[in-house]
Amino acid sequence: GESVGLHLPTLSVQEGDNSIINCAYSNSASDYFIWYKQESGKGPQFIIDIRSNMDKRQGQRVTVLLNKTVKHLSLQIAATQPGDSAVYFCAENIPPRGADGLTFGKGTHLIIQP
Amino acid sequence: DAGVIQSPRHEVTEMGQEVTLRCKPISGHNSLFWYRQTMMRGLELLIYFNNNVPIDDSGMPEDRFSAKMPNASFSTLKIQPSEPRDSAVYFCASSLEGTGRQPQHFGDGTRLSIL
Repeated sequence: GESVGLHLPTLSVQEGDNSIINCAYSNSASDYFIWYKQESGKGPQFIIDIRSNMDKRQGQRVTVLLNKTVKHLSLQIAATQPGDSAVYFCAENIPPRGADGLTFGKGTHLIIQP
Repeated sequence: DAGVIQSPRHEVTEMGQEVTLRCKPISGHNSLFWYRQTMMRGLELLIYFNNNVPIDDSGMPEDRFSAKMPNASFSTLKIQPSEPRDSAVYFCASSLEGTGRQPQHFGDGTRLSIL
């Protein structure tokens, strides 16, 4: 039979509303963070990144917030669209692990309801 | 711009067979990564290269797995012999520099099924 897999947290949002996806990262020494979007059958797609010397960064319809005190990262998506439905991953760089070693979170499944 | 290109997109083979996955990174990127994604374990880093040199292979599950990067535009991940538990989606990613503070760009993966 099938193995029991990861149970991803799911966030369901009405089209046009704003969404907030949260991520608790693991290491207080982490100095770089990225949000990725993964659609079915595709690889993770870079959305936005932030360095630890910042607490907020904005892109097109997306904002990333970093709270180093509580090791929390969030991704805000404004005016959600059906194409925003996907699994979203946060990733952190933990020095001195290695030049480019990213540690990925388990992901959140965002569903945009019409 | 061409992204990271992986081949094949799908591979189905019987256990015991050798499997070779291929990756062409983005031109100009000097770091390359191999990941494996499963429902059970999520996305795991297997190995990464910087300037064609393997830097960290601690994520490679066992000796059946090997990876090479003979030049800046090509890498392979080989499994020999393959086992059913190797079934997963394998991703290749590349990034511009080796400081750990540049985004990695992923290919669309190879879905591997070992029967």
